[in-house]
Amino acid sequence: SQQGEEDPQALSIQEGENATMNCSYKTSINNLQWYRQNSGRGLVHLILIRSNEREKHSGRLRVTLDTSKKSSSLLITASRAADTASYFCATGTASKLTFGTGTRLQVTL
Amino acid sequence: SQTIHQWPATLVQPVGSPLSLECTVEGTSNPNLYWYRQAAGRGLQLLFYSVGIGQISSEVPQNLSASRPQDRQFILSSKKLLLSDSGFYLCAWSIQGRGNQPQHFGDGTRLSIL
Repeated sequence: SQQGEEDPQALSIQEGENATMNCSYKTSINNLQWYRQNSGRGLVHLILIRSNEREKHSGRLRVTLDTSKKSSSLLITASRAADTASYFCATGTASKLTFGTGTRLQVTL
Repeated sequence: SQTIHQWPATLVQPVGSPLSLECTVEGTSNPNLYWYRQAAGRGLQLLFYSVGIGQISSEVPQNLSASRPQDRQFILSSKKLLLSDSGFYLCAWSIQGRGNQPQHFGDGTRLSIL
């Protein structure tokens, strides 16, 4: 079964609004990663948050991690049409990552 | 800087034909290498990973195989393709290190089996 599960499966917002995506996982982690995938392309690594961190920022991205609830959230502020993509969380052990099924974000003008 | 090349971008093959997809990484040494398959609208399924030349770990039993003949070359093969082998195949690399490292992906191969 998938280690990470994103919620919602799909999200549609207007440009300028904030987008929040959630990820739940099942077992202990040493870090959690978020990736973005444009349609028909490979995944791009966005941000990694370690298990001893609660919040991390990168530009318009804000990631939180709650290890007690085994959950993480990705917030994209002031969204742009170019943010339209699928977003995946990933966790794993040693050399391997397990990806969730992703949130499809549509940002409209 | 490091780059990853994956080809071909698209491929249409008849059922029962062989397959060879190639992935190469530049700008780094001794990377971990991965092959994933992604069904339409779904997450990624790890097929194979490799931590060194000739070292291949298979995650899912299937009619696919992988090889790593050189440090930065990873090949996905099949002797006889099935309809169920259709999908989007992604190659990725990461540095070797403690814990989970970020993975860097190629642009994928869209494989259609007829």
